[in-house]
Amino acid sequence: GENVEQHPSTLSVQEGDSAVIKCTYSDSASNYFPWYKQELGKRPQLIIDIRSNVGEKKDQRIAVTLNKTAKHFSLHITETQPEDSAVYFCAASLRGGSARQLTFGSGTQLTVLP
Amino acid sequence: DTGVSQDPRHKITKRGQNVTFRCDPISEHNRLYWYRQTLGQGPEFLTYFQNEAQLEKSRLLSDRFSAERPKGSFSTLEIQRTEQGDSAMYLCASREGGHNEQFFGPGTRLTVL
Repeated sequence: GENVEQHPSTLSVQEGDSAVIKCTYSDSASNYFPWYKQELGKRPQLIIDIRSNVGEKKDQRIAVTLNKTAKHFSLHITETQPEDSAVYFCAASLRGGSARQLTFGSGTQLTVLP
Repeated sequence: DTGVSQDPRHKITKRGQNVTFRCDPISEHNRLYWYRQTLGQGPEFLTYFQNEAQLEKSRLLSDRFSAERPKGSFSTLEIQRTEQGDSAMYLCASREGGHNEQFFGPGTRLTVL
């Protein structure tokens, strides 16, 4: 089955700096890669996603890049703010079938220091 | 609130007892998922429904676990003879057919004493 690895597990940055979180996946059949943000005690919420036919996607301060050959994708947050502090999860979804269940990485605790 | 809802939000039980959780998906979503999340980890897939049919089950789902979605709307997840290792957050998610995004509920936190 699919395996997703995520690094780093913790990341501290100064407010205004950039943060980068990296994930690798094992199954080349995966074709959908979402990123979820989970604040303490809250539900995971989608912040950005990318499909395998696209190399990069940007939404304001957030961007995701995908390298299908290397089977890795990254989340980039620019001009970080204290409210960006949360746990971020990457995930991958297998092509084919109707389920498209998500396989998640183990998460990155991002702390933005004021 | 038109999002995914789950009930109860917290459940404390003694080892060996049975528990049942409920998930109400977003009304137009015919796809429903159950995930389990332990502290410091990402959610792990348990099972998937398309309408009322349970089409996928993870090997994580032991025979003590059973899930239903009898009318293709809400779903229940039952754990029989709970064990301490079942302590986790149980998350439900739903999505609309033809769309990728899964919307998560707030979860049910289970503590088995």
